[in-house]
Amino acid sequence: DTAVSQTPKYLVTQMGNDKSIKCEQNLGHDTMYWYKQDSKKFLKIMFSYNNKELIINETVPNRFSPKSPDKAHLNLHINSLELGDSAVYFCASSPAGRTDTQYFGPGTRLTVL
Amino acid sequence: QKEVEQNSGPLSVPEGAIASLNCTYSDRGSQSFFWYRQYSGKSPELIMFIYSNGDKEDGRFTAQLNKASQYVSLLIRDSQPSDSATYLCAPIGKNTGNQFYFGTGTSLTVIP
Repeated sequence: DTAVSQTPKYLVTQMGNDKSIKCEQNLGHDTMYWYKQDSKKFLKIMFSYNNKELIINETVPNRFSPKSPDKAHLNLHINSLELGDSAVYFCASSPAGRTDTQYFGPGTRLTVL
Repeated sequence: QKEVEQNSGPLSVPEGAIASLNCTYSDRGSQSFFWYRQYSGKSPELIMFIYSNGDKEDGRFTAQLNKASQYVSLLIRDSQPSDSATYLCAPIGKNTGNQFYFGTGTSLTVIP
């Protein structure tokens, strides 16, 4: 059974478009995260979220917004896509208060043309 | 400023040798240190973590931590071709909001 899943696996789109990436976890975890890994393999946290608190990395543009319909899902919406948004986006989850125990999803490779 | 430095590599070692991966960090408030392995095109997976100064061994892997020198390393004994991957160092602590702050990773290639 897949613990953390993401859809789509690949996403190719034009500049200026709005797109979403979905993430689901079946681990019963309370906290979910989004990371961005650029072409140089630098992995950087974008958001962490539980049902009480959203922590945003201050360097993330406000074109990026996480949306959580329920505890098992954390989707990433990106407005007005730019070339620099091209990267692999990883979702992760962990038990509440256990940032050190994160399970990563398989990643979504976003290419902005 | 939170910085994690790793040699990007590639680091090449022959099969059976010891691979030594190094990481320095700038945040003295870092309390725990994690090593993740990432195969090409795959997601990161946790290899080891260490909290206290000294060595911690787990199978063929040994993590070494020196907080005074702000240095953490990962040794892989009896390296296997399946160890070929990128290894990410990730300190965590209150100064990072208890979030991972990953290094850029070291690419390791084990030559059969």
